[in-house]
Amino acid sequence: QKEVEQDPGPLSVPEGAIVSLNCTYSNSAFQYFMWYRQYSRKGPELLMYTYSSGNKEDGRFTAQVDKSSKYISLFIRDSQPSDSATYLCAMSHPSNQGGKLIFGQGTELSVKP
Amino acid sequence: ETGVTQTPRHLVMGMTNKKSLKCEQHLGHNAMYWYKQSAKKPLELMFVYSLEERVENNSVPSRFSPECPNSSHLFLHLHTLQPEDSALYLCASSQDMASSGNTIYFGEGSWLTVV
Repeated sequence: QKEVEQDPGPLSVPEGAIVSLNCTYSNSAFQYFMWYRQYSRKGPELLMYTYSSGNKEDGRFTAQVDKSSKYISLFIRDSQPSDSATYLCAMSHPSNQGGKLIFGQGTELSVKP
Repeated sequence: ETGVTQTPRHLVMGMTNKKSLKCEQHLGHNAMYWYKQSAKKPLELMFVYSLEERVENNSVPSRFSPECPNSSHLFLHLHTLQPEDSALYLCASSQDMASSGNTIYFGEGSWLTVV
């Protein structure tokens, strides 16, 4: 079983839709959860960072962590064509030697005008 | 501009060539990383340096050789690569080790094609 599972998509939605992206994980020790956005032929850029459980909101983006279900989500409201990218979840825990972030496979999102 | 600069952005090399990828970070961070990104696969951590000392080598073949001369620069020396090594190589940095909750900032990547 992979440590982090993420549906690779592709996911196609119309402009203005609410997008839900998800990851599940197996290691209950994970405490730090991140979402990265990666445009085509670019490096990943940090979008959201959450520590432990709860919600975090930043503009049109909301990150949720449910540690009891080992499930994290990223919601995008009023999606725009400029949101078309691959979204990567990543996570780590303090005893993870070597500074290893564990990444999901990434979900490819396409927002159609 | 993320503060992490990688050169070259694109590289085509033969299996007998020797080349190097270069990374420079302008963020004053103490930790630097090399990741490999292949199509349809999660990012794979290759090497981690903290304060210029290698702290992790993730079972990477010896044809990849990292070098960290100072906390701002990181190199990946390549020799006798295989076609399956063709991928996007990403350099990243963080204030301290990522496992401490420090976020990682990536460069734009170097696209490598081995022919």
